[in-house]
Amino acid sequence: QVQLQQSGPRLVKPSETLSLSCSVSGGSISSHYWSWIRQSAGKGLEWIGRAAPSGDIIYNPSLTSRVTMSVDTSKNQLSLKLSSVTAADTAIYYCARDLRGGGGEWPDWGQGTLVTVS
Amino acid sequence: DFQLTQSPSSLSASVGDRVTITCRAGQAINIYLNWYQQKPGNAPNLLIYAASTLQTGVPSRFSGSRSGTDFTLTISSLQPEDFATYFCQQSYTTPHTFGQGTKLEMK
Repeated sequence: QVQLQQSGPRLVKPSETLSLSCSVSGGSISSHYWSWIRQSAGKGLEWIGRAAPSGDIIYNPSLTSRVTMSVDTSKNQLSLKLSSVTAADTAIYYCARDLRGGGGEWPDWGQGTLVTVS
Repeated sequence: DFQLTQSPSSLSASVGDRVTITCRAGQAINIYLNWYQQKPGNAPNLLIYAASTLQTGVPSRFSGSRSGTDFTLTISSLQPEDFATYFCQQSYTTPHTFGQGTKLEMK
């Protein structure tokens, strides 16, 4: 079974860049689609974007000007960067694996990282 | 963005009860509606995808159905471990969007 382990700073200053990683074990990162999702008290659950095995990446239009996702196949690792953060970006951030080729159903999730912008 | 409206926002029930949660899509999304359960401190857990397909390992007391743009999650006989928050989510198009959640509490 695929397991996802997240890492990254839990406190980010306003206007700086949030950076998170998600290490994948139990499967090849090249075989699946991957998403980042966040959850905040104010906005609930919000899909951030998705990376395909082909390398294609799509973002939520509400975040596209500030977000960068990448996939490092040599490390079997995903990454997320969100620039110019504000308090509104305070949330629990999750990485997740698609059940079936970009279908947008997520059976496997990372443990979540609470990132506070302050 | 596709809007999903979940109801009720909270629900009190007892062990053994039959519980129904509804999610209405603002536009047609075919069968592309999924249900998650979330317990405090944990990531969401996929219960049902494509409106009515039970995810592997999920107890059969959970079921999903669709009527047009209305989707329903049913728990046939509540167990103590089912008290949690439930979310619907559409995978018809990006950006994928979620309902606001239904908190299921013990009566």
